[in-house]
Amino acid sequence: DAGVTQSPTHLIKTRGQQVTLRCSPKSGHDTVSWYQQALGQGPQFIFQYYEEEERQRGNFPDRFSGHQFPNYSSELNVNALLLGDSALYLCASSLWRPSGANVLTFGAGSRLTVL
Amino acid sequence: AQKVTQAQTEISVVEKEDVTLDCVYETRDTTYYLFWYKQPPSGELVFLIRRNSFDEQNEISGRYSWNFQKSTSSFNFTITASQVVDSAVYFCALSEANNYGQNFVFGPGTRLSVLP
Repeated sequence: DAGVTQSPTHLIKTRGQQVTLRCSPKSGHDTVSWYQQALGQGPQFIFQYYEEEERQRGNFPDRFSGHQFPNYSSELNVNALLLGDSALYLCASSLWRPSGANVLTFGAGSRLTVL
Repeated sequence: AQKVTQAQTEISVVEKEDVTLDCVYETRDTTYYLFWYKQPPSGELVFLIRRNSFDEQNEISGRYSWNFQKSTSSFNFTITASQVVDSAVYFCALSEANNYGQNFVFGPGTRLSVLP
């Protein structure tokens, strides 16, 4: 049973460019969340998608946007990249239940370097 | 506002030593959940335990044990007889219940190095 898969694993971009990261949730999960993890820090919540809609959003600018597809997979898009966007981007999946109890299953992440 | 503090940035121990990782949290909610995740060098966060705010029973799973104390807002994690494979970054996280979904607030993590 495949867990959460993310692509690409590594990528390098230059300032001002745009990037798209992809995530396939664990089989049976319908909710996808994205987190940004800067080097040496804990993950920070970007947003959560369910039923192809953004349900919650963290403190991130509009340059960060996302999408969820009917098969529950998701994309994270970042426009006008800044050096500070360099980080490990983690995708997590779960079942939709509006409670804090859900265990998130994480992927191995996409490491983005902005030069 | 929610906050999670892990005061220990890095800990080094020798194999077979016991080690405790500290976690202190802040929240105004009465219903919340606490988690511990392990992040090995591969990068994937691995779930270890979940605790709800109404269950203060300590838990033991093999060499791992957790001590939840609401009075001090702490949820500490102890590894008994540590092994080299325990080397990783450990994160404590807080999740609150709401009708809009769920988001985790993670602490900054503690990097544990177990030396042979």
